[in-house]
Amino acid sequence: EADIYQTPRYLVIGTGKKITLECSQTMGHDKMYWYQQDPGMELHLIHYSYGVNSTEKGDLSSESTVSRIRTEHFPLTLESARPSHTSQYLCASRPTGENDVQYFGPGTRLTVL
Amino acid sequence: GQQLNQSPQSMFIQEGEDVSMNCTSSSIFNTWLWYKQDPGEGPVLLIALYKAGELTSNGRLTAQFGITRKDSFLNISASIPSDVGIYFCAGRRVASKIIFGSGTRLSIRP
Repeated sequence: EADIYQTPRYLVIGTGKKITLECSQTMGHDKMYWYQQDPGMELHLIHYSYGVNSTEKGDLSSESTVSRIRTEHFPLTLESARPSHTSQYLCASRPTGENDVQYFGPGTRLTVL
Repeated sequence: GQQLNQSPQSMFIQEGEDVSMNCTSSSIFNTWLWYKQDPGEGPVLLIALYKAGELTSNGRLTAQFGITRKDSFLNISASIPSDVGIYFCAGRRVASKIIFGSGTRLSIRP
């Protein structure tokens, strides 16, 4: 059982607001990921981190930013939310090593009005 | 860029039927993973495959790493209502990140 948490689970917010989506894992995993997923569609990698103070942009361009100040915490921030940011955001983590398995959080469903 | 083609996109089944789905690519993969996602939740790992030809079971689920290393298959035997959901394949090439297929949506025919 993976211990990875995301808050909030659901967020409805107005255009222009700044938001931070939280992701925490208690497994000591070095590698963490953020994916964006439209309902029922494939997952698109938007950010990843291989350890503290390491962050990289993923394959899908995103206006969001991330930080990794602590191993267990990988928050995602949108400075000014827009309706085009409406989506589900999934956080995942995995330990360093040859095992490629990523463990996912429950996701945050974001709606920007 | 690299792509995984997952099929079928969706399927409707009767309870008790067997289900098959697959994932293919033009590239060779070192890892194949199969996840299931329930509505409003994150994907949960079902089966991980690391070797060409590998056949692995998890209860009623069986997955295979294709011999060519360019495909993988997932079978579900004797489906039950809780099998409903979206199944994603994921694969990794050498020195590359995991990528996900577009999913197979499984529904139970009323």
